[in-house]
This record gives sequence, structure tokens and C-alpha cells, in this order.
Amino acid sequence: SQTIHQWPATLVQPVGSPLSLECTVEGTSNPNLYWYRQAAGRGLQLLFYSVGIGQISSEVPQNLSASRPQDRQFILSSKKLLLSDSGFYLCAWSGVQRETQYFGPGTRLLVL
Amino acid sequence: KQEVTQIPAALSVPEGENLVLNCSFTDSAIYNLQWFRQDPGKGLTSLLLIQSSQREQTSGRLNASLDKSSGRSTLYIAASQPGDSATYLCAVFTGTASKLTFGTGTRLQVTL
Repeated sequence: SQTIHQWPATLVQPVGSPLSLECTVEGTSNPNLYWYRQAAGRGLQLLFYSVGIGQISSEVPQNLSASRPQDRQFILSSKKLLLSDSGFYLCAWSGVQRETQYFGPGTRLLVL
Repeated sequence: KQEVTQIPAALSVPEGENLVLNCSFTDSAIYNLQWFRQDPGKGLTSLLLIQSSQREQTSGRLNASLDKSSGRSTLYIAASQPGDSATYLCAVFTGTASKLTFGTGTRLQVTL
């Protein structure tokens, strides 16, 4: 069966520090991968998606970037965090883009 | 631009009641509609996916309907239980944007 992992679970970082969140998927190959952010009181916002290694699509201009160095690994990064980057970050995968998406447990990021 | 609205934002019902959650979307050119459940501080769990050509889907005590032409979906929960307490999110996959657009959710509390 397929599983999706995210780490860390919780992160507290100072403004201006770098960020690296990791997501890995097991039990499937060539998944579509997604990064979402869920801010308090707001809906899920798609940040990035990837249909293959090295293929990243960005949905909104922002302070973040994403990379897919391996088939089942998706990394969310920032060089300098802003207060507005605080939120709950969720990684998800799907077999093809239109199918059901399966979400990881999320990373709660607090930027102080 | 696709917009998804969920009403009500919050709902509290006694155990055993049948209930209906509503979802509406502005662009009827969708491939599918998905319902998710999110427990506090957790990731999303997929409940049901309705293809644009379908009218409804059922899973256990859950039944989701889709009226694509009017831009509406409902999630019916029969014989509610305290374990059903969670936030329920609907999302539509829009072909033009090739992504899921989420509503802000309905927070459900089922009381004893």
C-alpha cells in the first residue's frame, strides 16, 4: 500500500532563516506531487505541483521554491522566511492529476 | 477563476441525526468533485470522488451528489456519530486550471 511521509511535524523558525520541508511517498512510482499551504481560517492553497523529476510548476509568486530530486521525493524550501510563511504545509500525491489526492500528515510552521 | 463555497461554516448536531453539507462552485467545467475530511491538526482524508458524468457516489453512511449544471454538491451523512466530528472540505478539479480548488470547509461537531 502507498504511504506518504512529511517531516518535520512541527517547526518554529525565526524570520530570515532558511527552510527545508521534505515529503516522500512509498509504494507507488511516478506520482504527481503537490505542496499546499493552509493558513488559519483560509482554504488550502496550491503552491507547487510536479508531474516528474525536475518538473515543477508554481501556482503563486512567493517566497518559496520546490524541488523534486527523486521520483518520490518533494522538497519545499525558502532562503529567507517571512512572518507570512507561517501555516500548515501539506504534501499530497495522486496517480494522475485528475484522480484522488492522498495527503500527508502535514508540517506546522511558525515563523517568529 | 473557480471559486468554491461551503455552507454552513460550522454545524453542531446531536448524535444520530442525518445531516447535509453543501458545496457550490462557480465554473461548471469540472472533471470531478472530491470530498475530504480533516481532523484537527491532521492531513486530509479522501472520502468520495464524483466524476463530472456521475450524479452521486456512496460510501457507507456517506452519500455525495453532484449537480454540475447548477454548480452544487451535497454530502449527506446518515446517523451521525461523535467520530464524524471533523472539518469537511470539498474540492473541484477544473480542466482549464488543471488543479483542485478547495472550499474553506464545514466544521462539524456531533454531540452525545
